[in-house]
Amino acid sequence: SQQGEEDPQALSIQEGENATMNCSYKTSINNLQWYRQNSGRGLVHLILIRSNEREKHSGRLRVTLDTSKKSSSLLITASRAADTASYFCAPVTDNTDKLIFGTGTRLQVFP
Amino acid sequence: DAGVIQSPRHEVTEMGQEVTLRCKPISGHDYLFWYRQTMMRGLELLIYFNNNVPIDDSGMPEDRFSAKMPNASFSTLKIQPSEPRDSAVYFCASSFETNYNSPLHFGNGTRLTVT
Repeated sequence: SQQGEEDPQALSIQEGENATMNCSYKTSINNLQWYRQNSGRGLVHLILIRSNEREKHSGRLRVTLDTSKKSSSLLITASRAADTASYFCAPVTDNTDKLIFGTGTRLQVFP
Repeated sequence: DAGVIQSPRHEVTEMGQEVTLRCKPISGHDYLFWYRQTMMRGLELLIYFNNNVPIDDSGMPEDRFSAKMPNASFSTLKIQPSEPRDSAVYFCASSFETNYNSPLHFGNGTRLTVT
């Protein structure tokens, strides 16, 4: 099992702007997952991208994966105050038996 | 589907007391995980079960912590005796598949305060 490292640690933007956060990992993966955590709540799964995919969309979310650089990015377009949350990535290897989370990116969207 | 249900939502107890946290996973999910989250240490995996059997408890901090899963629909995490440093939010999560091809579903946690 491996842990992803999110960057930046914190991000503040205005409503309507785009937010980009990045995730780096160390070894080859089977897939990579992104989760969101609102204050006082559990993590919520956002999107899963497999190692043979380069880009995936879900609503205002766009995730890219570059396996050669061992990195992924999550883009939130036209952000809203409700997007304020912490975002975590979790890389999954073929023999992963448990998901390990990093410290996440804290996103603050100001109205 | 009600999702993963945890109880209680908040627990305040005095040092030395026994604390029991409860979790009901999503029906049909074979994997159950207990995580702990603090500002200092982030989200830590404590233990996980597959088909009610504990698979990896290497994250359990001390012998004061124990977890059980007597059946597919219920798990407990017990701390005895509790200490102030155990104060954290404890999350339970469940998933359907191995290899994490399906996502983890988290409960909303139990916020534990030990005074």
